[in-house]
Amino acid sequence: DADVTQTPRNRITKTGKRIMLECSQTKGHDRMYWYRQDPGLGLRLIYYSFDVKDINKGEISDGYSVSRQAQAKFSLSLESAIPNQTALYFCATSDRTGAGYTFGSGTRLTVV
Amino acid sequence: DQQVKQNSPSLSVQEGRISILNCDYTNSMFDYFLWYKKYPAEGPTFLISISSIKDKNEDGRFTVFLNKSAKHLSLHIVPSQPGDSAVYFCAASTSGTYKYIFGTGTRLKVLA
Repeated sequence: DADVTQTPRNRITKTGKRIMLECSQTKGHDRMYWYRQDPGLGLRLIYYSFDVKDINKGEISDGYSVSRQAQAKFSLSLESAIPNQTALYFCATSDRTGAGYTFGSGTRLTVV
Repeated sequence: DQQVKQNSPSLSVQEGRISILNCDYTNSMFDYFLWYKKYPAEGPTFLISISSIKDKNEDGRFTVFLNKSAKHLSLHIVPSQPGDSAVYFCAASTSGTYKYIFGTGTRLKVLA
């Protein structure tokens, strides 16, 4: 089993729909992150959480929300999806040293 | 503003030769740097790191060089192998923030 699991792997949704991307980890890490990858733009930070009660906005949080249901689970929601949210989304975790991330395999989201 | 830049979107190298991937940054507060490798349909995986107290770190075929005065780091792969063909991201962080800013990535193709 993967250390960081993202579901679904692929999703096509319609404009205006609400969608949730889920991430769970078995690393025992406190810190969890959501990034999106777009061609030519690299990986950009959407939200991050240092523990269950600590949620922080990243560079591009508009249009997104998150929920840290437990130490091991961190979900990303698009309340009303729009086409420019079409991207590859990655969840990542890190321990308290902050010495690098473990990434999930990604969720490819297409908003039509 | 792109704080971490990888100005070469792609690079092709012959098998057995050296691959040099470059990364520039603008924020002088960055003091920890990572390189990640990403294969298609997978999440990025950690490759090598360097702290700002060093100017070189080596791990097998991979060496990262840091030039703080130029705000520049580079990843050297010697010798390059076809399995090294992937997208490489550099990332930078400031101590205590526990979050990384990523570059846009360089696609390396190693030709057999």
